[in-house]
Amino acid sequence: DAGVTQSPTHLIKTRGQQVTLRCSPKSGHDTVSWYQQALGQGPQFIFQYYEEEERQRGNFPDRFSGHQFPNYSSELNVNALLLGDSALYLCASSLTSGYNEQFFGPGTRLTVL
Amino acid sequence: DAKTTQPNSMESNEEEPVHLPCNHSTISGTDYIHWYRQLPSQGPEYVIHGLTSNVNNRMASLAIAEDRKSSTLILHRATLRDAAVYYCILYNQGGKLIFGQGTELSVKP
Repeated sequence: DAGVTQSPTHLIKTRGQQVTLRCSPKSGHDTVSWYQQALGQGPQFIFQYYEEEERQRGNFPDRFSGHQFPNYSSELNVNALLLGDSALYLCASSLTSGYNEQFFGPGTRLTVL
Repeated sequence: DAKTTQPNSMESNEEEPVHLPCNHSTISGTDYIHWYRQLPSQGPEYVIHGLTSNVNNRMASLAIAEDRKSSTLILHRATLRDAAVYYCILYNQGGKLIFGQGTELSVKP
């Protein structure tokens, strides 16, 4: 089992551009959550997807959007990039039922210049 | 969202026990107490969780106060690989994880 995988590992963009990050969940998991982690801070919840629908959303603007595919993989899209969007973006997968732990991927490091 | 309070940093010596405290005075009856840790340059990793009773697993033990307003993560014998940021999180079923600043644990050889 490969666990949670994310691509790309690193990404450099300029202000105003758009970016798409990808996540494949752990085998058997049906729920994907995305988090943003600024340097020196704890991860901040962006949103969660289940059955291809956004189920919960954190305090992030509409520039942040996502998608979940029938195979449970997910994408995070960020439009009109700002310098403040530079961060580590983490994907976590889990089973929707119960109080199950979330399994995190290694993250995508996004740098906005 | 219910919040937790943890010390910013702690130090330990290798092969000694470590007790990482967490206060969560606004915990609700349905909140589980979860602990995650984040090693340098990695995503967070689940450690342990509990509701009311103390819990043990291969990684650590979790001691929960009787009133559930505080808990302690116990690493029985710290190793250098345990150096990480440890997060105490209150978690509802299927919900989002709300991370605080966590406790940065350093382990001295």
